[in-house]
Amino acid sequence: EDQVTQSPEALRLQEGESSSLNCSYTVSGLRGLFWYRQDPGKGPEFLFTLYSAGEEKEKERLKATLTKKESFLHITAPKPEDSATYLCAVQAGGSYIPTFGRGTSLIVHP
Amino acid sequence: KAGVTQTPRYLIKTRGQQVTLSCSPISGHRSVSWYQQTPGQGLQFLFEYFSETQRNKGNFPGRFSGRQFSNSRSEMNVSTLELGDSALYLCASSAGIQGGEQYFGPGTRLTVT
Repeated sequence: EDQVTQSPEALRLQEGESSSLNCSYTVSGLRGLFWYRQDPGKGPEFLFTLYSAGEEKEKERLKATLTKKESFLHITAPKPEDSATYLCAVQAGGSYIPTFGRGTSLIVHP
Repeated sequence: KAGVTQTPRYLIKTRGQQVTLSCSPISGHRSVSWYQQTPGQGLQFLFEYFSETQRNKGNFPGRFSGRQFSNSRSEMNVSTLELGDSALYLCASSAGIQGGEQYFGPGTRLTVT
């Protein structure tokens, strides 16, 4: 069974304090790994897709990287508006449906 | 392009009633998925439709059903509501035939009393 584990469950940072969120996965035949941001009471917002080990994607203060077993979402000099839950999802094998992790709740204090 | 829209945004129902939620995907997207999100369980997959056919189904009881119309709009129905059905119901659309990144709507917040 495909498994996706995100850590930590919650993270508190001071504004400007860089850190990384982790998404580890156990799947057969990775077809894509996705990162989403979700604000309270709203639907997840698509951020990145990574397809193969070594791939990196960047958007503003966010940078996603991928290895054969895990992905990291690096947040550089975060701001309070980066506070949200970050979800990781993996699509693998013959499935059309991604498996979601439980998410990391990030709070950035001013 | 307009994003995924869901109606209604909020709903309060009584145990035993039934409810129908609606989703309009991004124009051109033929795959529509439904998820239930609760604080305790996270995002749980309900079902996925592609070109009016249910391709995948999650592990939910038969009280949960859905359909997709020829214009890709989708509805999901929950019959005989239970307190535990209170959740945020999310619809997501995707462009690819084989899945890929999904674009979510704002969700319908269902409260069952």
